[in-house]
Amino acid sequence: NAGVMQNPRHLVRRRGQEARLRCSPMKGHSHVYWYRQLPEEGLKFMVYLQKENIIDESGMPKERFSAEFPKEGPSILRIQQVVRGDSAAYFCASSPMAGAYGNTIYFGEGSWLTVV
Amino acid sequence: AQSVTQLGSHVSVSEGALVLLRCNYSSSVPPYLFWYVQYPNQGLQLLLKYTTGATLVKGINGFEAEFKKSETSFHLTKPSAHMSDAAEYFCAVSVATDSWGKLQFGAGTQVVVTP
Repeated sequence: NAGVMQNPRHLVRRRGQEARLRCSPMKGHSHVYWYRQLPEEGLKFMVYLQKENIIDESGMPKERFSAEFPKEGPSILRIQQVVRGDSAAYFCASSPMAGAYGNTIYFGEGSWLTVV
Repeated sequence: AQSVTQLGSHVSVSEGALVLLRCNYSSSVPPYLFWYVQYPNQGLQLLLKYTTGATLVKGINGFEAEFKKSETSFHLTKPSAHMSDAAEYFCAVSVATDSWGKLQFGAGTQVVVTP
């Protein structure tokens, strides 16, 4: 049973380029979450998506960041015109469609973005 | 709004000694509490969680934590440290008034185990 799959695992971008991070949730999971881990910090919630819907984007920076979870295919976190401060580990997590609060969400192994 | 504070960013323990990682939370509504472990360059693995019911929660790898509402704490313990316990540990909280799966994480505690 494959876990949450993220790719690429490591990505290097020059300032001003675009970064696209992909996340395939666990089989049977239709809820996806993106978190960011800046150096020396804990994880910060960015966005919560269901298929074709953004449910909660309260943690997303107002500019340059966007996320989608299409009907078919992986969830994409897109960062336009990257800056050095975007260098971080980006984690995706997923959970099943139904469940109660406090149910476990499952994390992927992360995508490490380095902006040079 | 809820928040999590982990006391001590780095903890060093001897192999075989008690591991104690401290976590305090702030929440105006009943919290759901979690401990995750992260090994270098890897994702987070759930160690244990408290939702409702028994306040002493047992997790994987011999870890356990106790929810103490009066102290707003959820400290993580393991009686005897093993070298493989060297990792970073994160305490997290979520509440039912937030989006399900939206966790607030502490800053983490790096555990070093010495022979």
